[in-house]
Amino acid sequence: QEQLVESGGALVKPGGSLRLSCAASGFIFSDFYLSWIRQAPGKGLEWVSHISTTGENIYHVDSVSGRFTIFRDNAKNSLYLQMNSLRVEDTAVYYCARYARWEPVDLWGQGTLVTVSS
Amino acid sequence: SSELTQDPAVSVALGQTVRITCQGDSFRHYYGTWYQQRPGQAPILVMYGKNNRPSGIPDRFSGSTSGDTASLTITGTQAEDEADYYCNSRDTSGHHRVFGGGTKLTVL
Repeated sequence: QEQLVESGGALVKPGGSLRLSCAASGFIFSDFYLSWIRQAPGKGLEWVSHISTTGENIYHVDSVSGRFTIFRDNAKNSLYLQMNSLRVEDTAVYYCARYARWEPVDLWGQGTLVTVSS
Repeated sequence: SSELTQDPAVSVALGQTVRITCQGDSFRHYYGTWYQQRPGQAPILVMYGKNNRPSGIPDRFSGSTSGDTASLTITGTQAEDEADYYCNSRDTSGHHRVFGGGTKLTVL
């Protein structure tokens, strides 16, 4: 069964750091691009970051650029998001998702909640 | 604001047809992708490409793209179709992906 399972969400103070993890199973992890997509409470979806199969190509949306870093470990079938200098507006459910390069996202995790509050 | 524009809310009577639209220059070059999200759940893919449904998605769902608008049509809407629907495509650079703001579908 193809699956993505996120972990690492927590309550953190503004300015703090957090690392999210996403464990994949049931498919060839290194064949797929991966992304982090977030959803603030009561709001819509926002594409945050993505990473190519080898990790060579990376993208971060402007609002997190310089603060968040996406990376992957194909040997461990895992995706990560290092989040530094967290802001209240980063509060959201963070979803891990996979897609083939020119295809749509076809598999989502269940999400992990990050709450930034003093 | 999003580069893809959706109506915030649409309603439809049970069994009737509803079209959910998404407007953006991206659609002059790319087909739209559509996700359904029920409360408390992760999104699921319901439509992509010219008019492609993933396995398990009922054939009452169809998609189309014309000019700068992508559309998701549900024919014979069922109660379980009540959900939020998000369009997805590439941004103006063509290199990255963005979502529309979402449409809340209410089935009356």
